[in-house]
Amino acid sequence: DSGVTQTPKHLITATGQRVTLRCSPRSGDLSVYWYQQSLDQGLQFLIQYYNGEERAKGNILERFSAQQFPDLHSELNLSSLELGDSALYFCASSLDPYTGELFFGEGSRLTVL
Amino acid sequence: AQTVTQSQPEMSVQEAETVTLSCTYDTSESDYYLFWYKQPPSRQMILVIRQEAYKQQNATENRFSVNFQKAAKSFSLKISDSQLGDAAMYFCATPSQGGSEKLVFGKGTKLTVNP
Repeated sequence: DSGVTQTPKHLITATGQRVTLRCSPRSGDLSVYWYQQSLDQGLQFLIQYYNGEERAKGNILERFSAQQFPDLHSELNLSSLELGDSALYFCASSLDPYTGELFFGEGSRLTVL
Repeated sequence: AQTVTQSQPEMSVQEAETVTLSCTYDTSESDYYLFWYKQPPSRQMILVIRQEAYKQQNATENRFSVNFQKAAKSFSLKISDSQLGDAAMYFCATPSQGGSEKLVFGKGTKLTVNP
């Protein structure tokens, strides 16, 4: 158990809908990262938050947004969903940003029909 | 852009044998970390081993060891005495350049362990 909690584990929705994925980092970790894993693109970095502030942005679509709350949990919002958004979405947290070592949650499997 | 390349999409090994997974990367940093993550069918990403680039000694964690060649920017993972539970996707990763803390991952190598 990495200590990172993600909900929901599975989610099935229709095109055009909006979903929210939730992540609770390990106790004490200030950084939260979101990654998207699809068969053809591998693991793609979406966005990072550090202590409530956006720290780095990757290949995140404008239809996607995220935030980190004062209690350090984070939410990833995906809107106007398309079939191609079907993927595994991982949240990870880290204590020491210098090393880059990440602790991953179990992921949220999103299926868009 | 920084890249991490895993040239072996799939590998297989007999139980109790040794297998080596390859990884090359591109960075202009002088001090950095390198990681191997394992993703079993349960899908959670698990850290297997990490290497600090300024250390010449190769990292070892039980049956897992690395062959780190800094000049060649090569970071291979050796799994000794392979076990059925080692079957998984293995990803090589390193932090992005320019002060960003995000990890850049290779495409992964699927390891099958045959009994």
